[in-house]
Amino acid sequence: DQQVKQNSPSLSVQEGRISILNCDYTNSMFDYFLWYKKYPAEGPTFLISISSIKDKNEDGRFTVFLNKSAKHLSLHIVPSQPGDSAVYFCAARARGQNSGGSNYKLTFGKGTLLTVNP
Amino acid sequence: DAEITQSPRHKITETGRQVTLACHQTWNHNNMFWYRQDLGHGLRLIHYSYGVQDTNKGEVSDGYSVSRSNTEDLPLTLESAASSQTSVYFCASSEKVTGAEQFFGPGTRLTVL
Repeated sequence: DQQVKQNSPSLSVQEGRISILNCDYTNSMFDYFLWYKKYPAEGPTFLISISSIKDKNEDGRFTVFLNKSAKHLSLHIVPSQPGDSAVYFCAARARGQNSGGSNYKLTFGKGTLLTVNP
Repeated sequence: DAEITQSPRHKITETGRQVTLACHQTWNHNNMFWYRQDLGHGLRLIHYSYGVQDTNKGEVSDGYSVSRSNTEDLPLTLESAASSQTSVYFCASSEKVTGAEQFFGPGTRLTVL
């Protein structure tokens, strides 16, 4: 059962416009969410994160929104640039379930390929 | 600068052979992870470790093993390589701090013929 879903395999936008990448999750134990960016032949790199106690986090052109009631988060890129063309992975971490235990594992979605056209 | 490296970057092997992929990080992170990336599946966790002598199975651990004898290294071993293990493998590490992001290596592309 897929706990983190990125239902759009690909997205194409024009340079200068907004890119919106979506992610849904099913596990109510998730309390921390991250977005990673991946270029071909490279490892994923961390982009931005958000804790479940917040509903928005902004870093330059990148903003992540979290809607806990809908179990949905989105990444907004404004304005989009050709260099943003990459695969974007949504990831989530569940709070530790055992007394005193901590969980550092991430569950990843399948990724969305963003193409920004000049 | 601290970093995380993987070797080899590319490997071709035959079915049934034992293969070991190396992962080395100089961040001094306690947490280390191995993932595989396949088309249509995203990143799936194979094994992980929260410290020396600690190893745990992830969601796709069958056919793989790891050992953690020091902080810097988490080698991934395929005991008897199968064609289904053809994939791109990523190693990652993170601090043992709530909310810490994982840092990924450049990946190893493994082909099993």
